[in-house]
Amino acid sequence: GAGVSQTPSNKVTEKGKYVELRCDPISGHTALYWYRQSLGQGPEFLIYFQGTGAADDSGLPNDRFFAVRPEGSVSTLKIQRTERGDSAVYLCASGSGPSGANVLTFGAGSRLTVL
Amino acid sequence: AQSVAQPEDQVNVAEGNPLTVKCTYSVSGNPYLFWYVQYPNRGLQFLLKYITGDNLVKGSYGFEAEFNKSQTSFHLKKPSALVSDSALYFCAPPTNTGFQKLVFGTGTRLLVSP
Repeated sequence: GAGVSQTPSNKVTEKGKYVELRCDPISGHTALYWYRQSLGQGPEFLIYFQGTGAADDSGLPNDRFFAVRPEGSVSTLKIQRTERGDSAVYLCASGSGPSGANVLTFGAGSRLTVL
Repeated sequence: AQSVAQPEDQVNVAEGNPLTVKCTYSVSGNPYLFWYVQYPNRGLQFLLKYITGDNLVKGSYGFEAEFNKSQTSFHLKKPSALVSDSALYFCAPPTNTGFQKLVFGTGTRLLVSP
């Protein structure tokens, strides 16, 4: 597609529930990133995929968070046993390759609210 | 490790006046430096980047930034601000790990008054 698409745009769930957030990157982009942005903060790096593999998952806060990208395109961020502190906007971005010089294109984000 | 600092949480400027949003960096080697902008309720958008070459970089929406190695700065500038420029601005370098981790700070909020 023309841009990075994220669904759902808004998700409200109850504490303890399981949530999946989807990212559809720009066609042909091999690099895909997930960030989390809490209110009043800058985006916080979560995980980076190059192709199908997670090249760096050092930003995932704990083992309740997991992300996959099985075919090297669409990615899903999975959060188990959600907690109120997980409430944030989850941003996805894609880039044309692994170079640090490449520009990232961000999606509009998925706003997660955990009650 | 590479890091950036945006010393101002907020910058206020009147429409038509020049604006500057400051960024200083700490890095080993030659930095890649980026500015991204976040408009209300929207994702981040790329504005401009410095990789190498000319120290004055021109970007989207009339913005430019000057890479100053001696002062380790990469300030964002625009000659004449618009109300529509009001947004949150992030200066970010990648980490020196060979890929683009883009470590963001809390950004600088720009408010342009009519």
